[in-house]
Amino acid sequence: EVKLVESGGGLVQPGRSLKLSCAASGFSFNDYWMDWVRQAPGKGLEWIGEINQNSRTINYNPSLKDKFSISRDNARNTLYLQMSKVGSEDTAIYYCVRMGYGGYSEYWGQGVMVTVSS
Amino acid sequence: EIVLTQSPTTMTASPGEKVTITCRASSSVTYMHWYQQKPGASPKPWIYEASKLASGVPDRFSGSGSGTSYSLTINNMEAEDAATYYCQQWNYPSITFGSGTKLEIK
Repeated sequence: EVKLVESGGGLVQPGRSLKLSCAASGFSFNDYWMDWVRQAPGKGLEWIGEINQNSRTINYNPSLKDKFSISRDNARNTLYLQMSKVGSEDTAIYYCVRMGYGGYSEYWGQGVMVTVSS
Repeated sequence: EIVLTQSPTTMTASPGEKVTITCRASSSVTYMHWYQQKPGASPKPWIYEASKLASGVPDRFSGSGSGTSYSLTINNMEAEDAATYYCQQWNYPSITFGSGTKLEIK
């Protein structure tokens, strides 16, 4: 069974940094592109970016590129999302997603909530 | 960046009714996918590559479209279909989502 479990969320002060993790299991992690998607409270889905199998290709949403950094550790079957200088607009649920062919978001984690507030 | 416009934003349907949700892209997309999301839950893959049903999706659902115009159709609306549906396009290296269509049951 494919499992994606996000962690590292919580309450963070504006201007601080935060690193989210996503532990993957039930599949060969190093065979797949992995993405991050977020959803602000009561709002729609927003694609953050993606990383390929060997970390050589990382693509970001152009409007969010300077805010986030995506990485992975295939030995630990873990995906990461580094967030910098967070603001209230970054309050959201952050989802880790395993990608399929043609940009298909095949499996989603349960999401982790990040709340930016002083 | 390709912008996806979904319509309607919200709608209410009666059991047994036929429902159509549309998604229009600002330019031609390579692949279009759809997701279903219920309150408090993660999005679920629903339709991929415009017309292929994800595993477990009832066959009263269908998808169609190409280029810049796509649609998701439900034949014979059921209570369990009440949810928000999102379209999502992939045109490497970018992914964008539509703003969602909230479908309610009468």
